[in-house]
This record gives sequence, C-alpha cells and structure tokens, in this order.
Amino acid sequence: EVQLVESGGGLVKPGGSLRLSCAASGFTFSSYSINWVRQAPGTGLEWVSAISSSGDSISYADSVKGRFTISRDNAKNSLYLQMDSLRAEDTAVYYCARELFGSGARPYDYWGQGTLVTVSS
Amino acid sequence: EIVMTQSPATLSVSPGERATLSCRASQSVSSNLAWYQQKPGQAPRLLIYDASTRATGIPARFSGRGSGTEFTLTISSLQSEDFAVYYCQQYNNWPLTFGGGTKVEIK
Repeated sequence: EVQLVESGGGLVKPGGSLRLSCAASGFTFSSYSINWVRQAPGTGLEWVSAISSSGDSISYADSVKGRFTISRDNAKNSLYLQMDSLRAEDTAVYYCARELFGSGARPYDYWGQGTLVTVSS
Repeated sequence: EIVMTQSPATLSVSPGERATLSCRASQSVSSNLAWYQQKPGQAPRLLIYDASTRATGIPARFSGRGSGTEFTLTISSLQSEDFAVYYCQQYNNWPLTFGGGTKVEIK
C-alpha cells in the first residue's frame, strides 16, 4: 500500500525556520517525482515545490523561491522541505504528493495526510 | 502564470441529479488538466487526469471533457459521498496552478 506520511509541522514565529519531512512506503520511491502542495485555512490548493525522481530537477513557486528548499534522500525513502524566513502567509497544511509516473509534470495520485504549519508571534 | 478559473463557486444539487463543473484556463494547457475531490479534513483525491482519463478506482459516473482552455467535470448521478469541493489543476506549464474550487452541496 502506497503511503506518504508528513511530519515536522508546528507553531513558529515569523522569520523562523521549520523542516518538514515526508516518509514514503509501499512503492519504489526513487522512481517518482514528488511535490509539496499547501492549503491555507479555509482556502484552496497552492503548489509549492517539485523535485524529480533523481533530485536533479527542482522547481519552486515564486511565493517561496529563495526561502524554501526541497530535497530528497532516496536511500531513506524521504522527502524534505526546509522552510526559512517564514511569514504569516505561509500558514497552511502542507501535503506531500506523488506524481503519476511519466515524463514531464504529472498530476498527483497519492497524497499524505498533511502537516499543519502555523506562523504566528 | 496560468490562471485557472472554476465556476460556479457553489453548486447546489439534489442526490441523483447531474452536476456539471467548469474550469477555464487563461491560456491553453492542451489536455494537461486534472480534477481532484476534497472532503473536509481529508487530502485531495485524484479523479481525472489528462482531461478525460479516470484515475484508478474512480467510478464511471465521473467524466471529464475538454482541451485547450475549457474543461468540464460531470458527475452523472450524484451520490451522498460526492458532496465535496472539486479542484482543477493544470500541469502544462510551471508554476503548476489550481483553480479556486467548486463546492458541491446538497440542495
């Protein structure tokens, strides 16, 4: 069974940092691109970042570029999101999501349950 | 950035009725369009990708059509479990973008 389990969320002050993790199981992690998608309370979905299966191709939304860093460790079946210089508008549930197998950007066939990040003083 | 616009924002439908949701892209996304369903407190679930392909395990009452800039998701006969928020997403261009969602509620 495919599983994605996020962790690392919590309350952080503006300007602070947080590192999210996503533990994958039930599939060959190193074969899939994985994304982070967030959802602010009561609002819609926002794509945050994507990393290719090997980690050599990375993309970011403009809203987080220069502040967030996506990475992965295929030996540990894990995805990470280092979030620095956090702002109130980064408050959201953060999901990791697996892309459908294939070339180019693909939609997400599996999602984690999400981890809540709250940025507040 | 490609802007995805969904309409209506809220759709009130009786169980057993047909629901048609729309999604418009600000520029062509070819057929690189997906639909997701999200229920309260849950992660989104992939329903349709490549504009018209049902994802694994998705019932046949869900269907998608369109290409270019105009897309529709149709639920042929609404079941109680279908009342939820639906999002479209384009994956033709970076950054990937989602529509604002359509809430399908019980009439």
